[in-house]
Amino acid sequence: QVQLVESGGGVVQPGRSLRLSCAASGFTFNAYGMHWVRQVPGKGLEWVALISYDGSHKSYADSVKGRFAISRDDSKNTLNLHMRSLRPEDTAVYYCAKDWAVTTVSLIVDDWGQGTLVTVSS
Amino acid sequence: EIVMTQSPATLSVSPGERATLSCRASQSVSSNLAWYQQKPGQAPRLLIYGVSTRATGVPARFSGSGSGTEFTLTISSLQSEDFAAYHCQQYNKWPPAFGQGTKVEIK
Repeated sequence: QVQLVESGGGVVQPGRSLRLSCAASGFTFNAYGMHWVRQVPGKGLEWVALISYDGSHKSYADSVKGRFAISRDDSKNTLNLHMRSLRPEDTAVYYCAKDWAVTTVSLIVDDWGQGTLVTVSS
Repeated sequence: EIVMTQSPATLSVSPGERATLSCRASQSVSSNLAWYQQKPGQAPRLLIYGVSTRATGVPARFSGSGSGTEFTLTISSLQSEDFAAYHCQQYNKWPPAFGQGTKVEIK
């Protein structure tokens, strides 16, 4: 079955950087687009970034554009999110998520990791 | 950017009763509307996409309807495991957007 396991969260000071990773298994990783979605505890969900199945297309929410970078390593079945110039408002649980469609991007998410908490605070 | 608005914020329902959740889009999203269920401390789970198509393994008591800007998720007879938060999401246009969620609690 599909497994997505995030790592790399923690407490970081404003202005600093952090890298999140997501180890994927149970499916053909290089056939699916992947997403990062975040959620402030007790609040709604916010899309952060997506990368197409072949890495050729990347899109970002306006709130993180220019500060966050999504990437994938298909040799290791790993999705990454490089976050820099972090702000207190970036504090959230970050979910790694798999797109529903094969070899395209549907923007429907059919599998989610358990999330990793990022806290930006001095 | 499309804004999704869900109502009510909290819905109190007795087990066995019907629950009706609403989701409104600030502009038409055609039929590109999904619903997710999220239990406390857990990741969301895809319930419905394309307004009314249930995801794999989702019980038939969950149904979706609507088009354009107005959508509804109906749970026909609430079971104990259905008490959770529900999020609608449009995927018609970038950026994909979620509503703020409706929490279904036990009355």
